[in-house]
Amino acid sequence: DTEVTQTPKHLVMGMTNKKSLKCEQHMGHRAMYWYKQKAKKPPELMFVYSYEKLSINESVPSRFSPECPNSSLLNLHLHALQPEDSALYLCASSRGTATYEQYFGPGTRLTVT
Amino acid sequence: GENVEQHPSTLSVQEGDSAVIKCTYSDSASNYFPWYKQELGKRPQLIIDIRSNVGEKKDQRIAVTLNKTAKHFSLHITETQPEDSAVYFCAASITDKLIFGTGTRLQVFP
Repeated sequence: DTEVTQTPKHLVMGMTNKKSLKCEQHMGHRAMYWYKQKAKKPPELMFVYSYEKLSINESVPSRFSPECPNSSLLNLHLHALQPEDSALYLCASSRGTATYEQYFGPGTRLTVT
Repeated sequence: GENVEQHPSTLSVQEGDSAVIKCTYSDSASNYFPWYKQELGKRPQLIIDIRSNVGEKKDQRIAVTLNKTAKHFSLHITETQPEDSAVYFCAASITDKLIFGTGTRLQVFP
């Protein structure tokens, strides 16, 4: 398997809801990432996990909570989001960090109402 | 921190012509420079990358050049085709993360 998969593809949630995004890879990669992408903008790094440990948090609000249950799975738990959090959320993985190729999943299109 | 500038923001070319996109970075410690292509509604796809110990890399119609002294790198696409139309992002790695450029929308007209 040479792909990063993400579920769901689309998500609409109210500001009081709790939901989770899921990302999975079976390439044996040891680094996984969450990015947020707004329309016509580049991906913006949120979190980096290296060997299942959180190594980078780009000062993301606590309403976004990442979790890495094992080396193949990455979750992003969402709670009390704001309409401005509506965006495409992309997961990526790589063999390691720094100079390794990052491969992106298809993303989850999130709309907060 | 690292800053990556990308130009132009939009580029229109005739099918068969060449396209060049340029990026500059600020941190001399950056040592890995990938290029991603993102079609509308799709994921960013890695199309080519270069490491700091190499000056040029080519893959069929796509090439990337790196000038470490000037801290800039460029993407060259030759014999462009309509399916090359997309947004292209350059990136530079620094301390375990990628910093992306602002993107170039390339349109190839038949």
